[in-house]
Amino acid sequence: GQQVMQIPQYQHVQEGEDFTTYCNSSTTLSNIQWYKQRPGGHPVFLIQLVKSGEVKKQKRLTFQFGEAKKNSSLHITATQTTDVGTYFCAGRSGGSNYKLTFGKGTLLTVNP
Amino acid sequence: NAGVTQTPKFQVLKTGQSMTLQCAQDMNHEYMSWYRQDPGMGLRLIHYSVGAGITDQGEVPNGYNVSRSTTEDFPLRLLSAAPSQTSVYFCASSYPSGGPSSYNEQFFGPGTRLTVL
Repeated sequence: GQQVMQIPQYQHVQEGEDFTTYCNSSTTLSNIQWYKQRPGGHPVFLIQLVKSGEVKKQKRLTFQFGEAKKNSSLHITATQTTDVGTYFCAGRSGGSNYKLTFGKGTLLTVNP
Repeated sequence: NAGVTQTPKFQVLKTGQSMTLQCAQDMNHEYMSWYRQDPGMGLRLIHYSVGAGITDQGEVPNGYNVSRSTTEDFPLRLLSAAPSQTSVYFCASSYPSGGPSSYNEQFFGPGTRLTVL
């Protein structure tokens, strides 16, 4: 079945440093979504990428979808303590319009 | 709108007991799903439904049953609880995908933390 790998599993940074998490799929994806989960909370949708090579920005967050639509990344510039949480990618393959396969997530901690 | 609601928030069961985790949404979403979240394992799909009367298995369906009699509700049943089912359970809903470009973010409920002794 479809697998989505996400690295790193953990990342600890000093406030103000940059952060990147990477997502790789074993199959070509029709789209990929990113979610953030604060400690003790539930996943919250951040963004969806659909097009090959797509780049989207949300303030300090930059999301990329690879040309082959098999990988994606989330980059945070100048992290803040409010960025703490686990970031998940979730891919949807062309064979299923409904099922999302989640990566295991990257836990980001920020030292003030 | 309340969004996606889940009850209970916490539950402790003994091995062999059965229970139902409730999930409801008031956004008229056709697609609903159940995930379990375990440390270091991410979110794994248990069962999902694309509309009332239609359900299907996800990645880890064993030991769980679901039904979808209405658009709003999607309960998850544990038939005979086992310690391996200790986890945090999330219900989610979204509009159905109209294709890869459809904007169909999943809305998650607050979760149910289940411990099986």
